[in-house]
Amino acid sequence: AQKVTQAQTEISVVEKEDVTLDCVYETRDTTYYLFWYKQPPSGELVFLIRRNSFDEQNEISGRYSWNFQKSTSSFNFTITASQVVDSAVYFCALCNTNTGNQFYFGTGTSLTVIP
Amino acid sequence: DADVTQTPRNRITKTGKRIMLECSQTKGHDRMYWYRQDPGLGLRLIYYSFDVKDINKGEISDGYSVSRQAQAKFSLSLESAIPNQTALYFCATSDSALTGRNSYNEQFFGPGTRLTVL
Repeated sequence: AQKVTQAQTEISVVEKEDVTLDCVYETRDTTYYLFWYKQPPSGELVFLIRRNSFDEQNEISGRYSWNFQKSTSSFNFTITASQVVDSAVYFCALCNTNTGNQFYFGTGTSLTVIP
Repeated sequence: DADVTQTPRNRITKTGKRIMLECSQTKGHDRMYWYRQDPGLGLRLIYYSFDVKDINKGEISDGYSVSRQAQAKFSLSLESAIPNQTALYFCATSDSALTGRNSYNEQFFGPGTRLTVL
């Protein structure tokens, strides 16, 4: 079965704190893709990152970083020095050919950054 | 102009009515998707289409139908709306052209349609 679990429903941090959003996935396929999206209060969904299962290198983009660990089936997202503009719902998603080309999204983590 | 547009943006309707949500894209992508978002449930896939002649059911297709009228247009229909179809609906597109059919690229989402069924 394909499944994405974001166990943290809501997180609140004070501005400038670091925060990590957890994503754990389940798949039997050896080739798969993982994604993170941001949904700010305005409602649109914004793509943040795509990672395939053969690329376990961690990635850093400004204040954002992603830690992909196949051994624990996790693809965690860290925001360093959080800002109020980071307040949003963040979704992790999984896709592979064995799911019939479907995307499976986690239930999202709502992040509130308090000024 | 937005690359992925959805019409209408908001709709209130009554139980039993037929509703069509439309999605258009100018990105030239071959793949299009319809999702619904419910509080606490995240996004769930309703239908997806990899080209005009390829339409597939997603996780929660019951009560919905779709039409891919052209590469750029993908419509979602509720033949007889019911209150538990009240949700935020998103259309999305992605492109397989550069990376091949078995590769999955990021999806680009429309602004969403908020549908309320009374």
